[in-house]
Amino acid sequence: EVQLVDSGGGLVQPGGSLRLSCAASGFTFSSCWMKWVRQAPGKGLEWVANISPDGSGKYYVDSVKGRFTISRDNAKSSVFQQMNSLRAEDTAVYYCVKIAGGQRAYWGQGTLVTVSS
Amino acid sequence: DIVMTQSPLSLPVTPGEPASISCRSSQSLLHSDGFNYLEWYLQKPGQSPQLLIYLGSNRASGVPDRFSGSGSGTDFTLRISRVEAEDVGFYYCMQALQDLSFGGGTKVEIK
Repeated sequence: EVQLVDSGGGLVQPGGSLRLSCAASGFTFSSCWMKWVRQAPGKGLEWVANISPDGSGKYYVDSVKGRFTISRDNAKSSVFQQMNSLRAEDTAVYYCVKIAGGQRAYWGQGTLVTVSS
Repeated sequence: DIVMTQSPLSLPVTPGEPASISCRSSQSLLHSDGFNYLEWYLQKPGQSPQLLIYLGSNRASGVPDRFSGSGSGTDFTLRISRVEAEDVGFYYCMQALQDLSFGGGTKVEIK
């Protein structure tokens, strides 16, 4: 059974940093693109970042470029998102998502990031 | 970037009646592998999005058969054959062909 468990969210002050983690199981992690998606309170869903199976390809939505870094550890079946210079508008529930060809997407349960003084 | 456009924004429904939501993409979602990378989700208040339909028309495990998805290329539709009270919430389409992008959502509520 595919499982994605998101963690690392919390309350942080503007300008602060946070590192999100997503622990994966139930599939061949090293073969899959992994993504982060977020949803601000009362808003829709927004793609944030992608990472290729070997970690060499990384892509970001413009609003987080230069501030967020996605990474992965295939030996530990985990994907991470380092978030620096956080802003109030980064407040959201963050979900990791697994996509594979010819299959459905799988989502983590989400972790809440609140940026506030 | 692939832009997803959903309609309507709001959909008042009568229990027992059918309902449908449209989703259009700015580029074709049909991959060379023959699959349309389009999914439908329902999000209820305070919950994570739950998958209803994947690859355009495949019902996810445990989803009632009153939900169906159709379409190919750039035009997709989610249909509910007979709406039930538990179907209220926000519905989103999502393309997974390039990065991910989402429709703006359709709020389904009981009349």
